[in-house]
Amino acid sequence: GAVVSQHPSRVICKSGTSVKIECRSLDFQATTMFWYRQFPKQSLMLMATSNEGSKATYEQGVEKDKFLINHASLTLSTLTVTSAHPEDSSFYICSVGRREGGQETQYFGPGTRLLVL
Amino acid sequence: DQQVKQNSPSLSVQEGRISILNCDYTNSMFDYFLWYKKYPAEGPTFLISISSIKDKNEDGRFTVFLNKSAKHLSLHIVPSQPGDSAVYFCAASATSNYQLIWGAGTKLIIKP
Repeated sequence: GAVVSQHPSRVICKSGTSVKIECRSLDFQATTMFWYRQFPKQSLMLMATSNEGSKATYEQGVEKDKFLINHASLTLSTLTVTSAHPEDSSFYICSVGRREGGQETQYFGPGTRLLVL
Repeated sequence: DQQVKQNSPSLSVQEGRISILNCDYTNSMFDYFLWYKKYPAEGPTFLISISSIKDKNEDGRFTVFLNKSAKHLSLHIVPSQPGDSAVYFCAASATSNYQLIWGAGTKLIIKP
């Protein structure tokens, strides 16, 4: 498997401010990390795929200028929600992709609860 | 168009009995299937996976069955325990791009 941490676990911020969420792969070097968000009682929605040393690939409908992703090292990816608004309040989860035997399994962090007032 | 479907939003099972969670898919390019368990306000936990070259994979109390002709897979949990109460997500991917496609989840409730 893989051990993934996220920081902070929860954050409350005022509308208009920016919030940075960190995702760390603790026990292996991850070239690919993923960022998801989950709304209450809904499935996970992939926001973007983060590749170490290159630009992130964003899913359709996700504003890349609002959700800034940086994957500067093989163990750290960050998601910055810029000029946050109440509708950005959600549960954000990162994962790392680990390839074994020709297949890739994603291992998830514990998630970050964001509340924008 | 949902490529991965979990048609049962919830399932209630008596403790000690077998829980069977179902998942259907439409894309014949999918060749790797995974099950995740998720508690509220936590990230999903990887449970078990199966490659399309197999029809069964077992790990302790968890067994996943794959029926490629029917494009159907199921997760069996036996015996069911109270700690198994959670939302279970089925996901699928193709080796062409490795992106996970998720089902909507099934909430499993284990009754004492």
